[in-house]
Amino acid sequence: DAGITQSPRHKVTETGTPVTLRCHQTENHRYMYWYRQDPGHGLRLIHYSYGVKDTDKGEVSDGYSVSRSKTEDFLLTLESATSSQTSVYFCAISESDRGTLNYGYTFGSGTRLTVV
Amino acid sequence: SQQGEEDPQALSIQEGENATMNCSYKTSINNLQWYRQNSGRGLVHLILIRSNEREKHSGRLRVTLDTSKKSSSLLITASRAADTASYFCATALPGGYQKVTFGTGTKLQVIP
Repeated sequence: DAGITQSPRHKVTETGTPVTLRCHQTENHRYMYWYRQDPGHGLRLIHYSYGVKDTDKGEVSDGYSVSRSKTEDFLLTLESATSSQTSVYFCAISESDRGTLNYGYTFGSGTRLTVV
Repeated sequence: SQQGEEDPQALSIQEGENATMNCSYKTSINNLQWYRQNSGRGLVHLILIRSNEREKHSGRLRVTLDTSKKSSSLLITASRAADTASYFCATALPGGYQKVTFGTGTKLQVIP
C-alpha cells in the first residue's frame, strides 16, 4: 500500500524466540497502530502510538512491546514468541486519532507470522 | 466482545445484484467507518460517516447510520465480481485518544 510498508511479509519462528516486526510510513502521520487479525476475532488492537516515544496499550497487548523512535517507524516486538501469537499482523496509520474524514486508516499489507 | 458486529457473516449473490451488510454497535460513537479486505491483503478504507450524519454515498456505495438503533448498513449496488471481499465496519468512540474498533466482518462473494 502506498505510503506504508511492513516487513517482513512472512516469518516463521520458534517458540521462545524474540521477533520484531517493522512498520514504515512515508506520510508523516502522527498516529500509528498495530493490529492482529485472527479468524473469528476480526482485527484487535495491540498497541498504538500518538507521537515519537508516545505509545499506549490496546486490548491485546500482553506479550508485546512497541517502540517509536522516529515518526516514520513503529516496531512491534514479541519478546518470547508463543504459538498463540501466530497471526496476521497489520500496521495502520492515520492523521487523526479516529481516522480522517476522507481517508480513515491506511493499512499496510500485513505480516503473516507463524510460531512453531 | 466486539463493539461492532456485522451481519450476515457471509453473503453470496449474483453479479448485478445489490449487496447489503449491516453493522450493530454497543456504545455511542464519534464516527463509523467501512473497510474492504481482499484475500491476503490489508484493509482499504471505503467510507466514513460521522455520528451526526444519516447517509453518505460514494460511487456504488451507500452507507446509512441510525444512532438511535446503534446500527449502520452498507449497500453495494450493481455488484461486480471484483467486489468479492470481506467488509468490516469500524467504530470510533468520542473523546480522548480513542482507537477504532473493528468488527469480525462480512464475507461477500459475487458470482459472475
